[in-house]
Amino acid sequence: GEDVEQSLFLSVREGDSSVINCTYTDSSSTYLYWYKQEPGAGLQLLTYIFSNMDMKQDQRLTVLLNKKDKHLSLRIADTQTGDSAIYFCAEPPSSGTYKYIFGTGTRLKVLA
Amino acid sequence: DAGVTQSPTHLIKTRGQQVTLRCSPISGHKSVSWYQQVLGQGPQFIFQYYEKEERGRGNFPDRFSARQFPNYSSELNVNALLLGDSALYLCASSLGTGNGDEQFFGPGTRLTVL
Repeated sequence: GEDVEQSLFLSVREGDSSVINCTYTDSSSTYLYWYKQEPGAGLQLLTYIFSNMDMKQDQRLTVLLNKKDKHLSLRIADTQTGDSAIYFCAEPPSSGTYKYIFGTGTRLKVLA
Repeated sequence: DAGVTQSPTHLIKTRGQQVTLRCSPISGHKSVSWYQQVLGQGPQFIFQYYEKEERGRGNFPDRFSARQFPNYSSELNVNALLLGDSALYLCASSLGTGNGDEQFFGPGTRLTVL
């Protein structure tokens, strides 16, 4: 199937860490993406990880990849109110399809 | 340099009508993709165009069509609108040189069908 699944909602307090989880389907994906969508806006690429990596750190963002379980997570350290948004994981296209597959999105709410 | 632009920002139509949405890619990008994002869901791939040719299509009916112009801008057309077509329509541009090029998204056009 093509379902990329995420939990729908996450609420954290400002300054805490947030962990957003994603289960993907295509084990042949060479890399996986995390996008952020703020209210009324398009999608912004946050970070990505190559499939031959287990972890990638980029400032406050840490991406963990478990290929065996097809599980991807995004950790945001020291979460700020400006991090409140919807976060999508995405698989790149399978060979020849040009079709990105996006997850259902996780709405992150940061409480002051 | 300007990012991806889309017009109009918002649009209200009634069932059965037709709509045209427009997208201008980032300068130098030759590929444009269209996505439909229904409220509460992730974007669903509709089309990708590269060098004015369709090279990818999602599971959408023939009521959905698109084209790309010599300047790489693109239009998405939807005929015989249904209530279920109400969504945010996103355009993304990329260089188009590879299957998994980074895509840059516009702010979207919010279509409401009454």
